Amino acid sequence: QSALTQPRSVSGSPGQSVTISCTGTSRDVGGYNDVSWYQHHPGKAPKVMIHDVTERPPGVPDRFSGSKSGNTASLTISGLQADDEADYYCCSYAPNYTLFGGGTKLTVL
Amino acid sequence: EVQLVQSGAEVKKPGESLKISCKGSGYRLTSYWIGWVRQMPGQGLEWMGSIYPYDSDTRYSPSFQGQVTISADKSISTAYLQWSSLKASDTAMYYCARRSGSYPAYYFDYWGQGTLVTVSS
Repeated sequence: QSALTQPRSVSGSPGQSVTISCTGTSRDVGGYNDVSWYQHHPGKAPKVMIHDVTERPPGVPDRFSGSKSGNTASLTISGLQADDEADYYCCSYAPNYTLFGGGTKLTVL
Repeated sequence: EVQLVQSGAEVKKPGESLKISCKGSGYRLTSYWIGWVRQMPGQGLEWMGSIYPYDSDTRYSPSFQGQVTISADKSISTAYLQWSSLKASDTAMYYCARRSGSYPAYYFDYWGQGTLVTVSS
C-alpha cells in the first residue's frame, strides 16, 4: 500500500484560507468515510483536527473543516493564524491497515 | 484524563535489542486498539501496526511485518514495541496512539509524547 498523496507544502497569509488535498484510491479514501487529519508541530505529539471526513473533535476551532469527493479528501483552514503553521497529515483506514499521507507543511506568511 | 506515557529516549548500537513502552491511564486500555507510528528524521508519519490489548490481536503494516513485534500487558495497561536486532535505519521518533471510533471509521484521538530511538555505532 502506498502513502496517500498530499502536496508537500502550502502557504497563506494570516486571515486567508488554504486547502490541503489528500488523494488515495477506491480501496482507502474513496472506499470509506474514514479520513482523519492531524496537525503536527515539531517536537509535539500529533493532534487530531478532523475525523470521519468532516467531524471536529471538541476544542478544535470551526476554522478547520474537512470534505471528500471520490478518492480525494481535503482539509480547509480558514482565517489562518500564526499558530496554524505546522505539518498536516491525512490518514485513511482500509481493512487491516492504516495509511497516512506524506504530509503537508503549512507556512503562514 | 486520558494519557499515554511512553518510555524515554534510547541510544543503541546496531544489532542490539530494544523494547519501548506506552502506558495508558484514564481509560480502560483493553477497550481500545493502540497503534504505533514511526517518524524518521525529516520524514512523515507511518503506521507500523496496532494491537487490541484485550486479546492481543495484532495487525502489522506489510512494511513492518517481521521487523518489529507489538505486544501488550493488559494487567499493567501497557503496550510495547520491540526490535530483536536494531539497524541504523530504525533511528526515528516512535509514537503510540489510541484508536477511537467505530467500524469503518477510526482515528487516533490520544497520542503519547513519543520515544526517540537512535541507533548508531
